[in-house]
Amino acid sequence: KNQVEQSPQSLIILEGKNCTLQCNYTVSPFSNLRWYKQDTGRGPVSLTIMTFSENTKSNGRYTATLDADTKQSSLHITASQLSDSASYICVVSRTTSGTYKYIFGTGTRLKVLA
Amino acid sequence: ETGVTQTPRHLVMGMTNKKSLKCEQHLGHNAMYWYKQSAKKPLELMFVYSLEERVENNSVPSRFSPECPNSSHLFLHLHTLQPEDSALYLCASSQETHLSYNEQFFGPGTRLTVL
Repeated sequence: KNQVEQSPQSLIILEGKNCTLQCNYTVSPFSNLRWYKQDTGRGPVSLTIMTFSENTKSNGRYTATLDADTKQSSLHITASQLSDSASYICVVSRTTSGTYKYIFGTGTRLKVLA
Repeated sequence: ETGVTQTPRHLVMGMTNKKSLKCEQHLGHNAMYWYKQSAKKPLELMFVYSLEERVENNSVPSRFSPECPNSSHLFLHLHTLQPEDSALYLCASSQETHLSYNEQFFGPGTRLTVL
């Protein structure tokens, strides 16, 4: 069954601290993995995308890693800011017969406190 | 902003009402999507349009009726909804539906409450 599981469900950290969010998937055949940030009351916005051959991708203070062998990805946030408070959604794309399907995780809700 | 707008942002309706959600993209994309986002659940894909033609309908009840008059506009017509249909409805667009690096750009969503 094609699934994407994220952990933790929610996380509270202090401003300036680092944190790591996890994404495990059982999607096949794998095409790519994307991390989205969704602010409250807004639609998701793409942070990074990685294909099978990419191990790491950075976007400012956000660094995503991918281990295609273990089917795990992580999103590391460095020196967190109040504006990082949001939900982070992992999405894995699979391809079948030339079309692409998106499998969404339930997200991790991050709260950064001053 | 992402280049995808949605109206209204909030909607409260009774089960016997008829209303419509509107989505407009200013990105020149050919594909548009409707998603439903409920609390603690993954995004659920409802409909996919490519060049104004519906290419995917994920077993959505007939009380939801999509319309895509052109590649820039997408509507979701609602009638006789149920309280469990209360959710955030997200519209998205992308260049195409069949590209490997197909990034979807999402609108801010319409928060729907069915009484």
